[in-house]
Amino acid sequence: GAGVSQTPSNKVTEKGKYVELRCDPISGHTALYWYRQSLGQGPEFLIYFQGTGAADDSGLPNDRFFAVRPEGSVSTLKIQRTERGDSAVYLCASSRDTYTEAFFGQGTRLTVV
Amino acid sequence: AQSVTQLDSHVSVSEGTPVLLRCNYSSSYSPSLFWYVQHPNKGLQLLLKYTSAATLVKGINGFEAEFKKSETSFHLTKPSAHMSDAAEYFCVVSDYRNAGNMLTFGGGTRLMVKP
Repeated sequence: GAGVSQTPSNKVTEKGKYVELRCDPISGHTALYWYRQSLGQGPEFLIYFQGTGAADDSGLPNDRFFAVRPEGSVSTLKIQRTERGDSAVYLCASSRDTYTEAFFGQGTRLTVV
Repeated sequence: AQSVTQLDSHVSVSEGTPVLLRCNYSSSYSPSLFWYVQHPNKGLQLLLKYTSAATLVKGINGFEAEFKKSETSFHLTKPSAHMSDAAEYFCVVSDYRNAGNMLTFGGGTRLMVKP
């Protein structure tokens, strides 16, 4: 596609449920990043993929969060046992390589009720 | 470690007047610095970036920023505000020694433009 695509655009889930958020990067981009933007704050880094491997997952807040990119393209961010504090906009970005401009998707707004 | 401080959470200007959004950074190494803009219900868009070339960087839509190492600042300016400039602006630092494009964002400045 022309840009980074994230689905769904909005997700409402009940506390304790499991959710998956999907990111389709720009075709050919090897680097993929996940960020989380809480209300009124700037985005915070979660995890970064170079190809299929997670090169840096130091931003994941705890072991309820996990992300995969099995074929080096689409990535899925998975959150287990969701909590109300997980409510935020989850942003995905991709770049051709780790030294060129990262392009952001419009994000998935997750609300945990 | 690196960090970014945006000194104003909200800035209000009148259309046609200058814009100044302030940013200070902290980085252990020579950083790359960026300004991103976020319009409601739209993705983050890169306005401009500094990567150790010219200290005065020109971006899209008439914005520019000046890297001042002695002041650890990277303020964003525009000579004349337009209504369409109303948005959230983020100052961002990156240290390529780490996870490539891993970006550290400031808290954001909401720019309001009055007619």
